[in-house]
Amino acid sequence: DTGVSQNPRHKITKRGQNVTFRCDPISEHNRLYWYRQTLGQGPEFLTYFQNEAQLEKSRLLSDRFSAERPKGSFSTLEIQRTEQGDSAMYLCASSLDVSRNAFFGQGTRLTVV
Amino acid sequence: EDQVTQSPEALRLQEGESSSLNCSYTVSGLRGLFWYRQDPGKGPEFLFTLYSAGEEKEKERLKATLTKKESFLHITAPKPEDSATYLCAVQARNAGNMLTFGGGTRLMVKP
Repeated sequence: DTGVSQNPRHKITKRGQNVTFRCDPISEHNRLYWYRQTLGQGPEFLTYFQNEAQLEKSRLLSDRFSAERPKGSFSTLEIQRTEQGDSAMYLCASSLDVSRNAFFGQGTRLTVV
Repeated sequence: EDQVTQSPEALRLQEGESSSLNCSYTVSGLRGLFWYRQDPGKGPEFLFTLYSAGEEKEKERLKATLTKKESFLHITAPKPEDSATYLCAVQARNAGNMLTFGGGTRLMVKP
């Protein structure tokens, strides 16, 4: 068990480009979450998967954002037509069930220039 | 809407100087309150979960307590390696597994 793994760790992109991040959860965890964190703030919930089903989406998740979790294993978060306001740390977390703690990955730092 | 407010925003302590961090919350039915530690540039690291008022949990120099409106993270005789941002989050009974976080308290412990 190597914990939650996120790739890449850092991404710099030009405004208007598309980016995709990957999250590999702890192997036996069926619940997976994406959060966004800006400097000096706490993480904000984006979306939640139970196995392969996307069950919750925050209103923060605009139409430019899409997340998938094929086969209930790894997940990807894609941002289309990036804007400078998308610059943030994108965190992935996983847990075993609803009453268990969520364990976070190291995050992907996105900078849109 | 669930809300979490942490205070102070920043706290400077001398090594060995004990103190407490506050987390005030409003939630429509609390399933759990979580404390995390976050080092710069890294993801949050789980510390404690508290489920009901009166509950206490301890780990090394840290002790977390819970009432119906707030939680405290007590730090006893802190060391420089305790310097980090401490995040509090609540999970509501009707919110799936979503966590609502506060803004965090940045703790700096000077030797």
